[in-house]
Parts: sequence; C-alpha cells; structure tokens
Amino acid sequence: EADIYQTPRYLVIGTGKKITLECSQTMGHDKMYWYQQDPGMELHLIHYSYGVNSTEKGDLSSESTVSRIRTEHFPLTLESARPSHTSQYLCASGKTGYYNEQFFGPGTRLTVL
Amino acid sequence: QKEVEQDPGPLSVPEGAIVSLNCTYSNSAFQYFMWYRQYSRKGPELLMYTYSSGNKEDGRFTAQVDKSSKYISLFIRDSQPSDSATYLCAMTRSGGSNYKLTFGKGTLLTVNP
Repeated sequence: EADIYQTPRYLVIGTGKKITLECSQTMGHDKMYWYQQDPGMELHLIHYSYGVNSTEKGDLSSESTVSRIRTEHFPLTLESARPSHTSQYLCASGKTGYYNEQFFGPGTRLTVL
Repeated sequence: QKEVEQDPGPLSVPEGAIVSLNCTYSNSAFQYFMWYRQYSRKGPELLMYTYSSGNKEDGRFTAQVDKSSKYISLFIRDSQPSDSATYLCAMTRSGGSNYKLTFGKGTLLTVNP
C-alpha cells in the first residue's frame, strides 16, 4: 500500500544529542517536505526537495539539515538538539500537479529536555 | 498581516449541526484553495480543493471560494462526532512557485453526540 512513514513517532532526548528523524514514502512522489507544527500555530515549512540531490530551505529558519539521496527517503537531522527544538515535525510528499496536493505522514513529536 | 487568517476556535457544536469554517487571505495570487483535516496525533489529510472562485460539494462537505472578498469557507452538514478534528485551510499560487502551500492556523472542531 502506498503511504508515507515517519519514525520515531515520539522522541524524548537530552540537550546536545544528535538526532535524525526518518521519513519514507512509497508513492513515487518527486517532491518532499518537512514542516514544523506547534499547538495553535500554522504549519511552517522548514525544508523541501524537488527530487534526488535537491534540497531547499523553507520559509521558517531551522537549524536542522536534510538530505535526499533516494527518491523515497528524506531524513531530517539536528546535530545538537536544544529545548527550543521541541515541536511536532511533519513530513509530506507530493506529485507534480497544478494544485500541489501534499500527503502527510503521522508526524514525530520531539521533546528536548 | 499574515497571508492567511483562520480563527483557531475552538468550536463546539451538537451532532447534526451545520458547521461553517472560514479563512481570509491577503494574496490575490492564490488560485488553488484546499481544506485539510487533522485528527489528534495524526498528520493532515486533504479533504477538498477548489480552483478559483465557486463552490464544490462532496457528500456532507461544501467548499466555497469568493476571490473578490478573499474569503473561503468549508461547510459541514449533519455534523458527526467523527468530524471532530482540526481543519486547516491551505492555498497556493499557480505557476512557477507552486511547490509551497500556505496554511492557516487551523480551527479545532468538536462535535458532541
């Protein structure tokens, strides 16, 4: 079944640790996105990718980095986690189309102590 | 001024009520308008999309766009407890930078049995 997956779903980690949030999709989409979502706030785009070896920063500045070595995989890395990174991280993918429909994963809820 | 404004609610209605959810926007370049539904601890899922002005109906859901007023609405008829979720409006331009969606904050809806 075509889907988009995120792991872990929940992560509690101490300050200074390096973390990688995984995102994979089996829909064959060329475009992938990372959003940050805090309670009562808009979804903020932090990274996006048009395809393999293509990554761009989004509208919200983020200390995280991403890579796109394979079409289906778009991991997000924080080299040194801080409490200010505590948030919900949502991964999405989309196909080329006129209205840019995006399909979202279930999210990773990150807490940095 | 934010590009998209959405009243975050919360909105609480009895089962069977007609629900009206709204967004306003400031950027006249937006051409495609979407409504996403997000259940608790899940990623958003696309509910409906419309292009330019007009209405679109899908079962109990009707989406309306009034570009002259920069105002979009989602109506839910005969609301059910299973409709309890956060509803996010989203919109995008046509043309070159069509990879990005601009989201509202979302409106939290509770339908009480």
